[in-house]
Amino acid sequence: NAGVMQNPRHLVRRRGQEARLRCSPMKGHSHVYWYRQLPEEGLKFMVYLQKENIIDESGMPKERFSAEFPKEGPSILRIQQVVRGDSAAYFCASSPGANTGELFFGEGSRLTVL
Amino acid sequence: DQQVKQNSPSLSVQEGRISILNCDYTNSMFDYFLWYKKYPAEGPTFLISISSIKDKNEDGRFTVFLNKSAKHLSLHIVPSQPGDSAVYFCAASAGGTSYGKLTFGQGTILTVHP
Repeated sequence: NAGVMQNPRHLVRRRGQEARLRCSPMKGHSHVYWYRQLPEEGLKFMVYLQKENIIDESGMPKERFSAEFPKEGPSILRIQQVVRGDSAAYFCASSPGANTGELFFGEGSRLTVL
Repeated sequence: DQQVKQNSPSLSVQEGRISILNCDYTNSMFDYFLWYKKYPAEGPTFLISISSIKDKNEDGRFTVFLNKSAKHLSLHIVPSQPGDSAVYFCAASAGGTSYGKLTFGQGTILTVHP
């Protein structure tokens, strides 16, 4: 039973480019969360999605960031016109329902902006 | 505004002894608390949780204590093992529409010496 799969594991972008991070939740999980970890900090909630719906995006920066979880395929976190401050580890997590904080995390995607 | 705080960046313990990791929170709306463990280059792994209606939850070598009046929780690991060496994150949730929307502390690096 595969866990949460994230790709790419490492991504290097130059300022102004776009970054796309993908997440396939665990089988049977329809709830997906994205978290960001800046250096020397804890994880910070970004967005919570169910299939085809954004449930809570209160942690997403207002500009340049977007997320989706289509009916078919992985969830995608998209960062347009990246800046150096976007360099971080981005973790995706999934759960089978909304009534649990026991999330299953992927190994993360580490974005470096040059 | 750090709503969940882990004031000890690191803790060093001898194998076989007790490890005590502490966490404080400020948001009275939090009603569900969790501990996650993280190894380098991996995603966090759920360890143990506690609801605000309880003051203690035990799972094998791991026990979490909750003191609501002090807004404080702690994780006890007895006996500590070298494989427990990792970063431990305290997290809290206000439940509601999603228990998976977690607020994390900054983490405590636990080192267990053989």
